[in-house]
Amino acid sequence: GAGVSQSPSNKVTEKGKDVELRCDPISGHTALYWYRQRLGQGLEFLIYFQGNSAPDKSGLPSDRFSAERTGESVSTLTIQRTQQEDSAVYLCASSPSGPMNTEAFFGQGTRLTVV
Amino acid sequence: TQLLEQSPQFLSIQEGENLTVYCNSSSVFSSLQWYRQEPGEGPVLLVTVVTGGEVKKLKRLTFQFGDARKDSSLHITAAQPGDTGLYLCAGAGYNQGGKLIFGQGTELSVKP
Repeated sequence: GAGVSQSPSNKVTEKGKDVELRCDPISGHTALYWYRQRLGQGLEFLIYFQGNSAPDKSGLPSDRFSAERTGESVSTLTIQRTQQEDSAVYLCASSPSGPMNTEAFFGQGTRLTVV
Repeated sequence: TQLLEQSPQFLSIQEGENLTVYCNSSSVFSSLQWYRQEPGEGPVLLVTVVTGGEVKKLKRLTFQFGDARKDSSLHITAAQPGDTGLYLCAGAGYNQGGKLIFGQGTELSVKP
């Protein structure tokens, strides 16, 4: 595709439900990142994929959060038993290789609201 | 603990004024990037600096990477309302395990 695509763009869910957020990176980009952004704040690193493997999962806030990537393409971030503090914009980015000296291209994000 | 500290966090100025945003760390980075984010959008890259002491200019924006590659600054000359947005610095390097780490951002508002 032309850019990084995320779906859904908005998601409202009830506390305790599971949600799945999807990211379609730019074709051929091997590196993929997930970040969380609370209102008016910077980006909180969640997880980084190089190909289909995740060398760094250190940013996942709890075991309710998991992510996978298949076929060096689509990635899914799953949040189980959502809590109100999970409400935020979840941003996905991809880059041609790793982050060293290369631009990260971002999607528009998924705004998650837990009620 | 924030790996990259940005200051100020909020800045409200009049059109035509100059401003500087700082990005500081105790860690060394292989490269440092500056992004701009508008409401409802993902961040968009402005510049990447990779060499200690490097200065890059993008129209009215001047970016500098510190000699020790631990800090950076963004200077905007004669700010315009179109410069309004969230400015984010991001660092990458082997000390960060290959991932891109962001500062908390500087929210800039330029009033006409």
